Amino acid sequence: DTEVTQTPKHLVMGMTNKKSLKCEQHMGHRAMYWYKQKAKKPPELMFVYSYEKLSINESVPSRFSPECPNSSLLNLHLHALQPEDSALYLCASSGWGNEKLFFGSGTQLSVL
Amino acid sequence: TQLLEQSPQFLSIQEGENLTVYCNSSSVFSSLQWYRQEPGEGPVLLVTVVTGGEVKKLKRLTFQFGDARKDSSLHITAAQPGDTGLYLCAGAPAGGTSYGKLTFGQGTILTVHP
Repeated sequence: DTEVTQTPKHLVMGMTNKKSLKCEQHMGHRAMYWYKQKAKKPPELMFVYSYEKLSINESVPSRFSPECPNSSLLNLHLHALQPEDSALYLCASSGWGNEKLFFGSGTQLSVL
Repeated sequence: TQLLEQSPQFLSIQEGENLTVYCNSSSVFSSLQWYRQEPGEGPVLLVTVVTGGEVKKLKRLTFQFGDARKDSSLHITAAQPGDTGLYLCAGAPAGGTSYGKLTFGQGTILTVHP
């Protein structure tokens, strides 16, 4: 199984809503990532989890809250988002020390 | 901060033509990866180059890593409409563990017309 599964595929939310994005991998990877991608631009790193601990936070606003319940799961909790947060949110995983990233298909988020 | 300059940003060609995409930096990378992304999907890894001067071929795609490990190129021979997508280069910093902090180029949007 070489897949990274993300749900939901699409999400529309208001600025006062609370929602969560979910990501799952069963490749035994110990590093998991959240990226944000605007249309036709490269992905921008948000968070990195290493062995279920947050190792990198790229100065992301607190309205984005990551969580890694176990080595296979990664969540991104969203609260009080702004319209400019609308983007494709990508989850990725890699073997630690091996930078080859396996990406999920992403969640296309629209904030109204 | 490491930067990867990727060019061209846009490429629109006819089926059967050849093309080359470049990624250049003043920084040394321990490895460089190339990804392709189709609309509505995540990037998919095409290849990783590790050794300076390395050349890798994947069917009609040829990837090269510069001798100094600061630059890379992707050459596509006889492009097909199925090659259409966003191509991304990404470098892993040299010296120590990168902790997953890849540096991405700005991307090349390739459109191959039938």
